[in-house]
Amino acid sequence: GDSVTQMEGPVTLSEEAFLTINCTYTATGYPSLFWYVQYPGEGLQLLLKATKADDKGSNKGFEATYRKETTSFHLEKGSVQVSDSAVYFCASGEGFKTIFGAGTRLFVKA
Amino acid sequence: DAGITQSPRHKVTETGTPVTLRCHQTENHRYMYWYRQDPGHGLRLIHYSYGVKDTDKGEVSDGYSVSRSKTEDFLLTLESATSSQTSVYFCAISEGVGTGSYEQYFGPGTRLTVT
Repeated sequence: GDSVTQMEGPVTLSEEAFLTINCTYTATGYPSLFWYVQYPGEGLQLLLKATKADDKGSNKGFEATYRKETTSFHLEKGSVQVSDSAVYFCASGEGFKTIFGAGTRLFVKA
Repeated sequence: DAGITQSPRHKVTETGTPVTLRCHQTENHRYMYWYRQDPGHGLRLIHYSYGVKDTDKGEVSDGYSVSRSKTEDFLLTLESATSSQTSVYFCAISEGVGTGSYEQYFGPGTRLTVT
C-alpha cells in the first residue's frame, strides 16, 4: 500500500544551520505532497505543498521539491531559528485521503 | 486560521465509561477526519466523513463510532473507554471540491486520559 517514510529524529541543530529532513513516498497514483509542522501543544499546520512533479513548495524560508524520479519530497531551510523547533510531518495525499509520515522532531539551539 | 474547535480540550475518564468528543468547523468544508496521535505511532486515522451522514472507517476504528448530522459537527464516541484509548485526538477538515486541493486543517486537539 501507499506509505510515507521520513528520517527519524530528533534532529538537533545550532541556530543558522542548514536543515534537511528527508522524505520518500510510495504511491500507485500521482499524489499531492505536503509538509506539516506541529508546535508543542498544538495541532498540525500546513507548511507547504506541491501537487505535481517538479513543483516546488515554499513558505517561511522552507522549501521542498516534488521529485517523481526519486519519489522524494525533502524539506530544506537555509538558516534555522530557535522558533523552528517543532515536529515536522511529511504527507502524501490522493483525493481526500492523506497518509502521514511518523514525524521528525527538530531542536534548534541558540 | 481555519475555524476548527474541539471540545473538551482535556478529559479524564474511567475505564468502561462512554466518552464523546466534538469537532466543530465554521469553514463549510466537506471532509472531516478524526485522528489519534501516540508516541511512536504518528497520526492514525480513526474515522472520516465525506458528507452529512456519510462516514467510513479508518485504520484504527475498533472501539470508536462517529456521527455527522450537520456539516459543521463531527462527533467521535468511545463506546466503552479503555486505557489503550488514552491519547491525543485531533480533528481535521479538508475541502477539495472545486479546488482539487485536499490539504487538511487541524483542530487544537483533545487530550484524553482513561484511568
